[in-house]
Amino acid sequence: EAGVVQSPRYKIIEKKQPVAFWCNPISGHNTLYWYLQNLGQGPELLIRYENEEAVDDSQLPKDRFSAERLKGVDSTLKIQPAELGDSAVYLCASSSHPGTTEQYFGPGTRLTVT
Amino acid sequence: RKEVEQDPGPFNVPEGATVAFNCTYSNSASQSFFWYRQDCRKEPKLLMSVYSSGNEDGRFTAQLNRASQYISLLIRDSKLSDSATYLCVASSASKIIFGSGTRLSIRP
Repeated sequence: EAGVVQSPRYKIIEKKQPVAFWCNPISGHNTLYWYLQNLGQGPELLIRYENEEAVDDSQLPKDRFSAERLKGVDSTLKIQPAELGDSAVYLCASSSHPGTTEQYFGPGTRLTVT
Repeated sequence: RKEVEQDPGPFNVPEGATVAFNCTYSNSASQSFFWYRQDCRKEPKLLMSVYSSGNEDGRFTAQLNRASQYISLLIRDSKLSDSATYLCVASSASKIIFGSGTRLSIRP
């Protein structure tokens, strides 16, 4: 069974440019998460989807970040415009049931903003 | 104060040793707890869930103490391949919080 797929794996952009990350969860997993992870820190939840509904986006900086999961399967996370402090690894995860169950992570997208 | 706290380590132990980590959480509404393992520049991978009665998976034992609000992970007979960062997670209906991780290094 394929795991969580993310692309691109690496992205280098200049500040003020837009960037988008894509995630395809494990087949049949209705819950999808986007996390941000800085070096030496644990993942921090940005947004959680149940199917196509964003059920928790309280930690998403909505002035520059947006996300969508239009058909309840794959998802896109966008930053516009990017700032230097956005450099981090962006992780996508999925789980089979909502709320408090085991999550399976994709390999992440390492973003560098120069 | 962080909602989930872990000793960052590093813990540097010899192969074959037993090592234990604790993780404290502040949200008393937390219902589910997990340990994840993360290798350098890789994604976190689920190591084990933590059940109220405690649970064991091979050389790994996880325990939950709700009264004191901490979870623990015990690794017996440690292997070189156990070297990684161990992240604990406390999850409620409305929040999923990862700790910053404990680095473990097993030396030959």
